[in-house]
Amino acid sequence: DGGITQSPKYLFRKEGQNVTLSCEQNLNHDAMYWYRQDPGQGLRLIYYSQIVNDFQKGDIAEGYSVSREKKESFPLTVTSAQKNPTAFYLCASSIRLTGTEGLAGTKNIQYFGAGTRLSVL
Amino acid sequence: GESVGLHLPTLSVQEGDNSIINCAYSNSASDYFIWYKQESGKGPQFIIDIRSNMDKRQGQRVTVLLNKTVKHLSLQIAATQPGDSAVYFCAEKGGSTLGRLYFGRGTQLTVWP
Repeated sequence: DGGITQSPKYLFRKEGQNVTLSCEQNLNHDAMYWYRQDPGQGLRLIYYSQIVNDFQKGDIAEGYSVSREKKESFPLTVTSAQKNPTAFYLCASSIRLTGTEGLAGTKNIQYFGAGTRLSVL
Repeated sequence: GESVGLHLPTLSVQEGDNSIINCAYSNSASDYFIWYKQESGKGPQFIIDIRSNMDKRQGQRVTVLLNKTVKHLSLQIAATQPGDSAVYFCAEKGGSTLGRLYFGRGTQLTVWP
């Protein structure tokens, strides 16, 4: 079954603790993304990676860290520096667009996992 | 900068009626648009997409219309069913970015029997 698997489904963080959210995909996609979703709001980009061993900050990267050691995996760590971590976290993957593909209206469907809901104890 | 927004945060329709969900975008260079459906507690699911060189695209019970003149996107759902109740997001791919999508706030669609 191809898709994106996020774990755990629910996660609780104690104050001062770092927690790591898992994201694994078997779609053979190069690009992977982490979004944060707050109630009644859209998706805000935390980090994204277009290829192994490379990643870029999104709009709200402060207090988060990522790694991309394998094509299939893109874990997100919510550090103690993130003072308001309670949210629904979504991981996505897509094909990688390069050069003129990014400018040519090339399809770029992002496929999402089921999400991890993080709460603070 | 790029921004994607919605005219109405909520929409209630009766089962069997047609639904229209609207989305405004600000980046005239955006060249590709997607509609996603998100059910409560789940991740967004792809519904339909459209390139900027098209005005209309149809899927099964859904149609996306793109008006580049006024930078407006709409999703039409025919014969709306209770299973269509969800939050619907539009997303745009800016022409200057390598695949990054910008998401709107979403519209909550509620279908009444």
